[in-house]
Amino acid sequence: ETGVTQTPRHLVMGMTNKKSLKCEQHLGHNAMYWYKQSAKKPLELMFVYNFKEQTENNSVPSRFSPECPNSSHLFLHLHTLQPEDSALYLCASSQDPAISGGVNEQFFGPGTRLTVL
Amino acid sequence: GDSVTQMEGPVTLSEEAFLTINCTYTATGYPSLFWYVQYPGEGLQLLLKATKADDKGSNKGFEATYRKETTSFHLEKGSVQVSDSAVYFCALSDSGNTPLVFGKGTRLSVIA
Repeated sequence: ETGVTQTPRHLVMGMTNKKSLKCEQHLGHNAMYWYKQSAKKPLELMFVYNFKEQTENNSVPSRFSPECPNSSHLFLHLHTLQPEDSALYLCASSQDPAISGGVNEQFFGPGTRLTVL
Repeated sequence: GDSVTQMEGPVTLSEEAFLTINCTYTATGYPSLFWYVQYPGEGLQLLLKATKADDKGSNKGFEATYRKETTSFHLEKGSVQVSDSAVYFCALSDSGNTPLVFGKGTRLSVIA
C-alpha cells in the first residue's frame, strides 16, 4: 500500500451504533488530520495530531472521538451519531514543516462515505 | 485570521475552452499556496503548489502563479478536457505547523 488509505470506504450505521473509521499513512509523516466534507459546505477540519499528540480540536461534538496510537495510524470512533453527521470523512497526513522546509503539504486518503440512518 | 476566497461555481465549459478559477487569500505571514483537485468519489489530490512570490506551479497543463501584490493564485488551463471535471480547492499554509486553510471549492464541468 502506498500513500494514505482509509477503511471502510462506505459505512451505513444507525444512530445507536458504535463504529470506527481507520486511516493509515505509508509516507513516514508526523502529522495526521480528520476532515468532514458535507454536501454544499466547506471542508471542515476536525482534529489534528502531531507526533501522536492532539494539537487541534475544532469544537467537534464528543460523539466523535479520535485516537492516534502511532504516527502512521489514526482512528475516528463514532458513537450515537445524528443523521446530519452523514458526510465524507477525509484523512490526511503531512510532514512536520520544520522538516519539509516550512511547507505543510497534505496528502489525502480517498475518504469514508458515512450515512447515518 | 487567514482565509481563502475562490470563485463560486459551478463552472461549465466546453471541451478545449480556456479555464480560469480565481483565488485570493489573506494571510499574516508568507504562506505557501496550493491547488487541490477532487474527482468524483475520491479524496483530494494535490494538483500544484507555489511556496514564494512569483513562483509558478504547474501540473497536467494547469498553471497558477503566486502574486503577492494582488494576493492571488488563480488557476488556469489553456484547453480543458472532459476528464478535468472535478471540484478544485485553493488552499494556503501559513508559516509553522498550522493546518491548511481551504477555500470552499469550485465545481468544474466540462462537456464534449
